[in-house]
Amino acid sequence: AQSVTQLGSHVSVSEGALVLLRCNYSSSVPPYLFWYVQYPNQGLQLLLKYTTGATLVKGINGFEAEFKKSETSFHLTKPSAHMSDAAEYFCAVTQGRGKLQFGAGTQVVVTP
Amino acid sequence: GAVVSQHPSRVICKSGTSVKIECRSLDFQATTMFWYRQFPKKSLMLMATSNEGSKATYEQGVEKDKFLINHASLTLSTLTVTSAHPEDSSFYICSAHSRKREATDTQYFGPGTRLTVL
Repeated sequence: AQSVTQLGSHVSVSEGALVLLRCNYSSSVPPYLFWYVQYPNQGLQLLLKYTTGATLVKGINGFEAEFKKSETSFHLTKPSAHMSDAAEYFCAVTQGRGKLQFGAGTQVVVTP
Repeated sequence: GAVVSQHPSRVICKSGTSVKIECRSLDFQATTMFWYRQFPKKSLMLMATSNEGSKATYEQGVEKDKFLINHASLTLSTLTVTSAHPEDSSFYICSAHSRKREATDTQYFGPGTRLTVL
C-alpha cells in the first residue's frame, strides 16, 4: 500500500526566505508523485508532478521538487517566498487505478 | 487546459432535504471522476470513484445510499447527498482524470462546494 508523510503541519517563513516542505512516501511500485496547493475555500491546484525521467521537476509559481528514490522523498522548495505563497500544500502519491493518496497537508504562513 | 468546475460553490439546506452537486470537466473528457470530502484543517478523504457509464466505487465506510453518484457522460458527474443532516456539512471536492489525455494519474480538481446543513 502507498502512503505519504508530510513533516510539519505548519511552516512559517519570512518573505524572501527559502520555502522547504518535506514529503516522504512509501510505494510498492514506481510512484507518480504530486504536489498540490490549496488556497482557502478553493479546490486543489497542481503545482508539479514527477512521473519518469528527470528527477528535478519544475512547477508553477517558482516551485520545484526533487525525487530521491534512495530517500523515498519528494521535497518541495522555492528559493524566495512571496506573500501569495501562503496556502495549504499537499503531497500525493499514486495508489493505482488513478487514485491518489494524500499527505496530511502543510500550512504555509509567510511573514513580512 | 484541464479545467474542472463545480456547482454550486456554496449551498445551505435544511436537515432532511437532498442536495445535488455537479462536477464538470470543461475542456477534456474525463474517463474517471473522484469525489472527496474535506473537513476543516484536514486532508482530503476519498469518498468514491466514478467511471463514465458504470456504477461508482465507494470507499470503505462511505454510505452509497446516502451519497449517490452519477457519471452520465464524459464531462459530468453528480453527487447527491440524500436526507442531509448537520454532520454531512463539509467541503466537497471533485476531480477529473483522463487516461486518454495522459498516461499518469494526474487529477484536476474542481473549486469545491461548501455544504451547510441546518
